[in-house]
Amino acid sequence: AQSVTQPDIHITVSEGASLELRCNYSYGATPYLFWYVQSPGQGLQLLLKYFSGDTLVQGIKGFEAEFKRSQSSFNLRKPSVHWSDAAEYFCAVGAREYGNKLVFGAGTILRVKS
Amino acid sequence: GAVVSQHPSWVICKSGTSVKIECRSLDFQATTMFWYRQFPKQSLMLMATSNEGSKATYEQGVEKDKFLINHASLTLSTLTVTSAHPEDSSFYICSASIPRQGPYEQYFGPGTRLTVT
Repeated sequence: AQSVTQPDIHITVSEGASLELRCNYSYGATPYLFWYVQSPGQGLQLLLKYFSGDTLVQGIKGFEAEFKRSQSSFNLRKPSVHWSDAAEYFCAVGAREYGNKLVFGAGTILRVKS
Repeated sequence: GAVVSQHPSWVICKSGTSVKIECRSLDFQATTMFWYRQFPKQSLMLMATSNEGSKATYEQGVEKDKFLINHASLTLSTLTVTSAHPEDSSFYICSASIPRQGPYEQYFGPGTRLTVT
């Protein structure tokens, strides 16, 4: 079955600490990969995307993500978290095998402690 | 650029009534729009894909007679929840894609919170 897995439902990090949110997808061809952030009661904001080329992509707000084909992963990272980063993060995958649509992971809620 | 708006941002209605939610692409033409539903503390679930001028394509398990989608122009899609019931209470989010960018790069609206009493 087509799936996008975000294994961590909640993550708590201290302000200033580094962050890594995990995302794995299950299926074979080269997907289109996205990370979105959602604040409570708000829509989704695109952080970054990967379609092809350099497997390390830079996004907004100091985020980056690395596509690892061998691990079917697209983990999101930030070297130093700010309190304003507290939100929910969604990984999404698009691929012809999924049809013309995005499939979302379950999301990871990030809490930042001061 | 690529801004998507939704109206209303929140709505409360009584059980048995119908509610219409609008999704507009403000600065681009969107041949394809998507409607998602998000329950509290859950992910987005695609309900349907609508293409301008044609019938929407509904995901498995979504009642097309209950969730009516109209995509009458390149900048407007509407979702009407007919005969709403409390279990329809949810956060509804639309998105739109720009034709030359393909269907996967979607721009999301701010969402509409529907509460059915």
